[in-house]
Amino acid sequence: ETGVTQSPTHLIKTRGQQVTLRCSSQSGHNTVSWYQQALGQGPQFIFQYYREEENGRGNFPPRFSGLQFPNYSSELNVNALELDDSALYLCASRLIGREETQYFGPGTRLLVL
Amino acid sequence: DQQVKQNSPSLSVQEGRISILNCDYTNSMFDYFLWYKKYPAEGPTFLISISSIKDKNEDGRFTVFLNKSAKHLSLHIVPSQPGDSAVYFCAASVSGGSNYKLTFGKGTLLTVNP
Repeated sequence: ETGVTQSPTHLIKTRGQQVTLRCSSQSGHNTVSWYQQALGQGPQFIFQYYREEENGRGNFPPRFSGLQFPNYSSELNVNALELDDSALYLCASRLIGREETQYFGPGTRLLVL
Repeated sequence: DQQVKQNSPSLSVQEGRISILNCDYTNSMFDYFLWYKKYPAEGPTFLISISSIKDKNEDGRFTVFLNKSAKHLSLHIVPSQPGDSAVYFCAASVSGGSNYKLTFGKGTLLTVNP
């Protein structure tokens, strides 16, 4: 049990739509990262938020954006969905003082038709 | 350009025997390495990690070995149990600062047969 939860578990959208995925972690987890895992691949880093500001980004376009809130929750927003956005989206958080280890939530599986 | 490589997509072992999962990396800046286990429909679960200042770390049945000169690490599971059947991901990061972005391999599917 990592204490990281995500919602929804599954989602179906159509191309061009927008989607918001949510993540909640425990008190003391001050950093949240989002990853995309396509089928047959390892998770790929999208971006990271620390104290409600983005402080690291992977090779993803600006239509991927996020927010982190003071209550240890965060959101991943994807605009203008494309078919290739179909993937498992994972949220991970880190404990203050154990920043090198990330604890993942169960993920949201997004299907874009 | 894949900086973390797991060249074996799958591995099958008998219950009670040793499982050895391998991982290679190309980025010499990586100094912290982790193994995650993933069951279907679940997120990756942290298993064990190792810092580049060490060459071995043990936790119960799990041992990770790091060979910095070869840029290679391995995860040993002894004895293997059917419940260990899962996809295992190797991940690496550059520590320091506030960004501990993880770079993952593609994973190895381990099947432990009773």
